[in-house]
Formats: sequence, structure tokens, C-alpha cells
Amino acid sequence: DGGITQSPKYLFRKEGQNVTLSCEQNLNHDAMYWYRQDPGQGLRLIYYSQIVNDFQKGDIAEGYSVSREKKESFPLTVTSAQKNPTAFYLCASSVSPPAGEGYGYTFGSGTRLTVV
Amino acid sequence: EDQVTQSPEALRLQEGESSSLNCSYTVSGLRGLFWYRQDPGKGPEFLFTLYSAGEEKEKERLKATLTKKESFLHITAPKPEDSATYLCAVLISGGYNKLIFGAGTRLAVHP
Repeated sequence: DGGITQSPKYLFRKEGQNVTLSCEQNLNHDAMYWYRQDPGQGLRLIYYSQIVNDFQKGDIAEGYSVSREKKESFPLTVTSAQKNPTAFYLCASSVSPPAGEGYGYTFGSGTRLTVV
Repeated sequence: EDQVTQSPEALRLQEGESSSLNCSYTVSGLRGLFWYRQDPGKGPEFLFTLYSAGEEKEKERLKATLTKKESFLHITAPKPEDSATYLCAVLISGGYNKLIFGAGTRLAVHP
């Protein structure tokens, strides 16, 4: 079955440490996204990529970095510069450009990152 | 500024007690409105897409409607398994498929 796989499900980060969250999709979608979800807030866009080897900052990119070397993969690195990284991180993908009914996002199951 | 507001923040219903969730939006160039269901600790699951005012879509006990300024998610005779957070998102014009999300409505249905 096609879908998006995020790993790990839970991740703990020490102060000053960089961590990388994995996101893999087999939907053949061109576009991929990273969102951050905090309690009581809507999903906020961190980075997005419309095509391999290209990505753009979203609304809250500071302290994060990404790469898009393969169509299927869009890993997110949370760097030590991100001062408040504890949150639920969601990866999503979609067709690009939009085409018909199906251009909503498909989401992964999320990674919960906690600073210890 | 593009904005999506959902109300209420939380809703508690008795099983069988119908109600509606609201999603109001202020955006330039609406291309579509999406409803998602999110269970605790999981990613959002797609429910509906609405494209134009007057459009309605149904799925089991859920019905979504759209006007020029807001959308409603009507829940008829809810069951405990309908308990979840319901997210609304709007797709706006721009260089890419940008979805702007509301904060969600937490629905709890008690037997």
C-alpha cells in the first residue's frame, strides 16, 4: 500500500544536539512538506519541496534544515539553534502542480520530539 | 493576512446528539477547503475537499458544507468512535500547494 512513513515515532534530544527525522513516501508525489504541531495551535509549515534538489523555507524555518536528494525522501534536521524543539512533527506529500480531486495532502503518522 | 479559525476549540457531546463544527476563513484566492480527522498521536486523515460555495459532501455521519466565508462539519447522531480532533485547512493561490490550517476542534462523544 502507498503511504508515508515517518521514523522514529518518539525521539529524545539533549541540549545542543542535532537530530534528524526521517520521512519516506511511495506515492510518487513530487511535493513534500514538514509541519510542526503544538497543543492549541494549527499546523505550522517548516519547509517544503516541490521537486528533487529544491526546497523552500516555510513560516518557521529557523533552527531547522532539510534535504531532498531523492523523490521519495525528505529528512528534517532539528539543529541546536532551535530553542524550543519539543513538538509533534508531521511530514506530508502531495501531487504538484494540483490536478483534480487528489491534491490534498497525505500525512505520515508523526514523530514526537522531546528535549531532555 | 490569510487566516483560518475553528470553533469551538472543544466540544463534548452525548452519543446521538448531533452538532456542527465551524471553520471560518479570511484568505485571498481560495482554491479549496479540506477537512481532516486526527486521532491522538497520529497524523491527520483526509475526510473531504470542497471547492466552491454551495458544495456539500457526505461520509457516514459527517457532512461538510461550504459558503464564501466558512465551512461547517455537521455530525449526525455521533458515536464514541467519532471522538477526535477535526482540522480544517484552506488551499490558497500561490507558487505551490500551500495549506493553511486552523487549530482544530477537539470532539469528545460520550456513551
